[in-house]
Amino acid sequence: EAQVTQNPRYLITVTGKKLTVTCSQNMNHEYMSWYRQDPGLGLRQIYYSMNVEVTDKGDVPEGYKVSRKEKRNFPLILESPSPNQTSLYFCASRRIQVNEQFFGPGTRLTVL
Amino acid sequence: RKEVEQDPGPFNVPEGATVAFNCTYSNSASQSFFWYRQDCRKEPKLLMSVYSSGNEDGRFTAQLNRASQYISLLIRDSKLSDSATYLCVVNEDPTGGGNKLTFGTGTQLKVEL
Repeated sequence: EAQVTQNPRYLITVTGKKLTVTCSQNMNHEYMSWYRQDPGLGLRQIYYSMNVEVTDKGDVPEGYKVSRKEKRNFPLILESPSPNQTSLYFCASRRIQVNEQFFGPGTRLTVL
Repeated sequence: RKEVEQDPGPFNVPEGATVAFNCTYSNSASQSFFWYRQDCRKEPKLLMSVYSSGNEDGRFTAQLNRASQYISLLIRDSKLSDSATYLCVVNEDPTGGGNKLTFGTGTQLKVEL
């Protein structure tokens, strides 16, 4: 089944404790992206990647890192999480020349 | 001013009703437009793209007005299963490559018996 998977789906952590949210897609998509969704603000792009070893900042990159060592994986790293990073996070992927994005199921993160 | 604006709703409509949502965008150079559907606590999924000439997919009709910079979504004969949040999405990437997708905050629809 073609899909985007994220892990963990739910995470409660404390300020400053490094964490990684994994994202994997099995559709051989070149483009991958991370978003956060907050009430009243909609989905905002954190980082995106056009292909392996190519990443770029989105609208709200502060406090996040990403890497794209393999085509299928695009982990999101929070080196020192803070409470303002409490949010619902979505990973997405698509073919480069196609606008439709496929989203993962989301990761609900709470930073205390 | 938000780049993509939508009425958050909720729109409460009876089953069988026709309902329309509008979305305005501020960047006149925007290349392409979409409606996504998001069920509660789930991931967004593409509902339909919006073409300049307008397009229809079953009970759903999408239209684009570039002069006034808005897009619309019309749902006819509403079903209970149409209850969801509808996200307006605008591609502001000047190359058309889709690297600058801006999402509206969504319009919530509740279809009732």
